[in-house]
Amino acid sequence: EAGVTQFPSHSVIEKGQTVTLRCDPISGHDNLYWYRRVMGKEIKFLLHFVKESKQDESGMPNNRFLAERTGGTYSTLKVQPAELEDSGVYFCASSQDTADTQYFGPGTRLTVL
Amino acid sequence: AQSVTQLGSHVSVSEGALVLLRCNYSSSVPPYLFWYVQYPNQGLQLLLKYTSAATLVKGINGFEAEFKKSETSFHLTKPSAHMSDAAEYFCAVSRGGSNYKLTFGKGTLLTVNP
Repeated sequence: EAGVTQFPSHSVIEKGQTVTLRCDPISGHDNLYWYRRVMGKEIKFLLHFVKESKQDESGMPNNRFLAERTGGTYSTLKVQPAELEDSGVYFCASSQDTADTQYFGPGTRLTVL
Repeated sequence: AQSVTQLGSHVSVSEGALVLLRCNYSSSVPPYLFWYVQYPNQGLQLLLKYTSAATLVKGINGFEAEFKKSETSFHLTKPSAHMSDAAEYFCAVSRGGSNYKLTFGKGTLLTVNP
């Protein structure tokens, strides 16, 4: 069974540009989470999808971040326009049911110059 | 609000020595507690979790953790460190119920010396 995959693994962009991160959860997992780790800080929750619906987006930093999960399968996280403080590693996780173990992807390392 | 404190951002042990990684939490409700590990260039992998059953939880790779409510702790231990245990370890808490988002500590980097 394939695990959670994320694309790209690394992205380097300039301030003001747009970047879209993609997450493919484990097949059949209805729950999808996004987390972010800024350098030197803890991993922080961004948002939670149940199928295609946003269950909790309390961790989204501001309206420059837009997450979607069309059709309840893969998800994208768009940052537009990117700022320097957006640099970090963005993790995606999925679980079959809400109470189940969250399985994490390898992360996307975003660098904003 | 929940929070997690991991004491020691970097722990160094000798191969064969006891591994002890400390985690204290605060939660307004009985928590679910987790330890995740991240090996270099990989995603986070669940080591073990506590979900209000037995207070001593055994995980993968010989790790275990004990939930101590009176001390609000969930320390991770392994009797004998192996070189392959070198990684970053994260303690996390969630509230359960309908809210399973994880709140993480800052992580502890474990180095194992030969």
